[in-house]
Amino acid sequence: EPEVTQTPSHQVTQMGQEVILRCVPISNHLYFYWYRQILGQKVEFLVSFYNNEISEKSEIFDDQFSVERPDGSNFTLKIRSTKLEDSAMYFCASIGRQENIQYFGAGTRLSVL
Amino acid sequence: DQQVKQNSPSLSVQEGRISILNCDYTNSMFDYFLWYKKYPAEGPTFLISISSIKDKNEDGRFTVFLNKSAKHLSLHIVPSQPGDSAVYFCAASEGISNFGNEKLTFGTGTRLTIIP
Repeated sequence: EPEVTQTPSHQVTQMGQEVILRCVPISNHLYFYWYRQILGQKVEFLVSFYNNEISEKSEIFDDQFSVERPDGSNFTLKIRSTKLEDSAMYFCASIGRQENIQYFGAGTRLSVL
Repeated sequence: DQQVKQNSPSLSVQEGRISILNCDYTNSMFDYFLWYKKYPAEGPTFLISISSIKDKNEDGRFTVFLNKSAKHLSLHIVPSQPGDSAVYFCAASEGISNFGNEKLTFGTGTRLTIIP
């Protein structure tokens, strides 16, 4: 069964460092999303991406965040200068045309020290 | 801003009995609802969904009921099995826009424990 793949599973970084979280969406999917879940809180929408541009972003997704689909298969989330409060699980999701179900990856746990 | 609420953080049910998980929403623009199941260290796994034009959708042991006037939905699992123990998230979206599918707004989740 096709699945969304995320790497790494766990990323530890120092505050102020840049991190790139990687996702490989399901191959024929066209819409891509990043969500995050801070420990003990709900899953929150960060950004959606379609046709090589951001469709929508939340207020969490400030100038420190960026997304890219560099090669037609990977979908990345970059945090330029990490803060302690960026520590969370980050989930990538994708969806195909004329579908309503978003499929999620297993997530990347980001720990900012 | 809790547009989707799951007021029960946890629920324990005897194996073989019915599990009922509840979800309330406030945004009247939501027209598509989904239930996801999540195990520790894994991503949310899609379980079942319902469009606002329906009031019930069934898939095997899982049934989702939607009461639009009350802005309430529920997930019924019957019979409950030990493998159903997980965190269940209710999620909602405002449907399909011109450029793609809408973001999901999640509830805080309910931890379901099935007691053997």
